[in-house]
This record gives sequence, C-alpha cells and structure tokens, in this order.
Amino acid sequence: DTAVSQTPKYLVTQMGNDKSIKCEQNLGHDTMYWYKQDSKKFLKIMFSYNNKELIINETVPNRFSPKSPDKAHLNLHINSLELGDSAVYFCASSHRSPGRQSHGYTFGSGTRLTVV
Amino acid sequence: GNSVTQMEGPVTLSEEAFLTINCTYTATGYPSLFWYVQYPGEGLQLLLKATKADDKGSNKGFEATYRKETTSFHLEKGSVQVSDSAVYFCALTANTGNQFYFGTGTSLTVIP
Repeated sequence: DTAVSQTPKYLVTQMGNDKSIKCEQNLGHDTMYWYKQDSKKFLKIMFSYNNKELIINETVPNRFSPKSPDKAHLNLHINSLELGDSAVYFCASSHRSPGRQSHGYTFGSGTRLTVV
Repeated sequence: GNSVTQMEGPVTLSEEAFLTINCTYTATGYPSLFWYVQYPGEGLQLLLKATKADDKGSNKGFEATYRKETTSFHLEKGSVQVSDSAVYFCALTANTGNQFYFGTGTSLTVIP
C-alpha cells in the first residue's frame, strides 16, 4: 500500500504547455503539501492545504495552481510551462494538529518534470 | 523565526568511517527535530526524530541527540556503508500547527 502516491513519475513536455500532477494519500492526514526540489536538492515549499483549505501559499508564479477536492487529494496544475519549471516536485502529507506534527511528514516519490 | 542550518556537502567517506553531519536550529517554542534521508531517485524518508530535549533518535545505526543548550541535532553513524550514500535533510516543526522547516541537505557519498 503506497501511503503518498504521485502521478506521473516522469513528465517531459514542451514550453508553453499546461500540465497537471496528481497526489493522493491514504494515511488519514489532514494536511498536504507541494514542494519543489531544484538541481542542488534544495527543498522549497510551494503550497499547503489543511482540510481542503489553502494555508500556505509561498511566492510562486500564478501559473501554478493547486486544487484539493478533498483532504486525501492535492493536485498541482501548471500553465504555460517554462524551462525554469524543470525540477522534481514532491507531494507530502502530515497531521497539522499541535502534538501530532511530531509524527513528521510522509513524502511521495516525486515527479520529475522536464520542460524542453 | 524558525530555521535549520546544516553543514554543506558534499561529504565523501570511505566505507566503515565515522559520520557526523552537523545541524543547528532556531525555533520559537519547543520544536520536534527530524532527519530525513533521500536515496537517489527517491522521495524523502523519515530516518529518525526526537520530540523533546535530551531525547535520542536512532534508526539503522544512525543517531542524533536533541541538545537544547546548543540548539543542535547532529547526525552520527559509527561505521558507514556504501548503501548509506544519499542526501540527508535536517528539519524541525514548531508543534504549533505551522509548517516544517528543512535544511539545505547534505549529500553523502560512501566509497568502497
């Protein structure tokens, strides 16, 4: 049983296209996240949803739009893809309630996006 | 504010060498501290954690002790293996419902 699953694992697309990445978790967590990891392995948080409500929205181009249909799913849609969007995108989930955050995050295996 | 600083890599060690990866933190309140490991081509996995001062987290031969007096959570292993080659991330959460804060990652390569 995969706890946090993302699809697709690899995505190669041309500049200007629109693409989506999907994420699902079966851990019963109430909070989900999108992180971007660059070529130097630096992790940058992009968005976080708690029970379908957006709670973290970092400085990210508005071409990136998250959508959470329910607390077990968090998708990421990217419009007008640019070369600089090439990276590995990780989905993660956790409990947000104080006292339960000590359980840590559970990460998906990542989506490697290559824009050509 | 909350932040994590970890030693820069890359780190290259011979098999069976002793490993230390330094991590210090700044936090409001009483954070929980974590080490995550990312093997090549994979996502991050929780390696170990400590939720209060003087706690020692351990897993797979790795250890880290939560030192409040020095605000540190250094990762150690007595004898590394080639299979330990990965990127290691120190992280904290302030247990106030806020986000996790990750360090910049330290790449470890163990050579036979």
